[in-house]
Amino acid sequence: KNQVEQSPQSLIILEGKNCTLQCNYTVSPFSNLRWYKQDTGRGPVSLTIMTFSENTKSNGRYTATLDADTKQSSLHITASQLSDSASYICVVSLASGTYKYIFGTGTRLKVLA
Amino acid sequence: SQTIHQWPATLVQPVGSPLSLECTVEGTSNPNLYWYRQAAGRGLQLLFYSVGIGQISSEVPQNLSASRPQDRQFILSSKKLLLSDSGFYLCAWSVSGRYEQYFGPGTRLTVT
Repeated sequence: KNQVEQSPQSLIILEGKNCTLQCNYTVSPFSNLRWYKQDTGRGPVSLTIMTFSENTKSNGRYTATLDADTKQSSLHITASQLSDSASYICVVSLASGTYKYIFGTGTRLKVLA
Repeated sequence: SQTIHQWPATLVQPVGSPLSLECTVEGTSNPNLYWYRQAAGRGLQLLFYSVGIGQISSEVPQNLSASRPQDRQFILSSKKLLLSDSGFYLCAWSVSGRYEQYFGPGTRLTVT
């Protein structure tokens, strides 16, 4: 069964600290993996996208890694800011069709001052 | 640049009433269009997708329906809402053959 699991479910950190969010997937055939940031009550916004051959991708203070062998990805946030408080969603696309996306349930991050 | 609009932003409807949510995309042609529902603490659930005018595919059998009367317009409807239809509805678009999906601002639907 195609699944995407994220951990932790929620996380609280102090402003300025770093954190790492995890995504494990059992999706085949794999096409690409994306990380989205979703503010409360808003639509998700793309942070990074990685294909099978890429193992790291950065977007400002966000760095995503992908290990296609172990089917794991992580999103590392450096020097967190209050505005990083949001849900972070991992999405894996199947290679068979442009509409086959498997969504994780997300990690809810809260950054405290 | 491309933009995606959804309305209304919030909606409170009684059980048994009809529903119409609208999504429009600007700045692109022949996009793939999607309707998702996001329940609290759950991942996004794909409801419908469309690869062209009048072409709708349903992923989850339910009392919702979708239509695409124009290239960049996608409508989600129901004849009679259920309590279980409450949730956050998101419209998204993508370019055929490309991986990136772009989401609208969402509609919060509460069925009372």
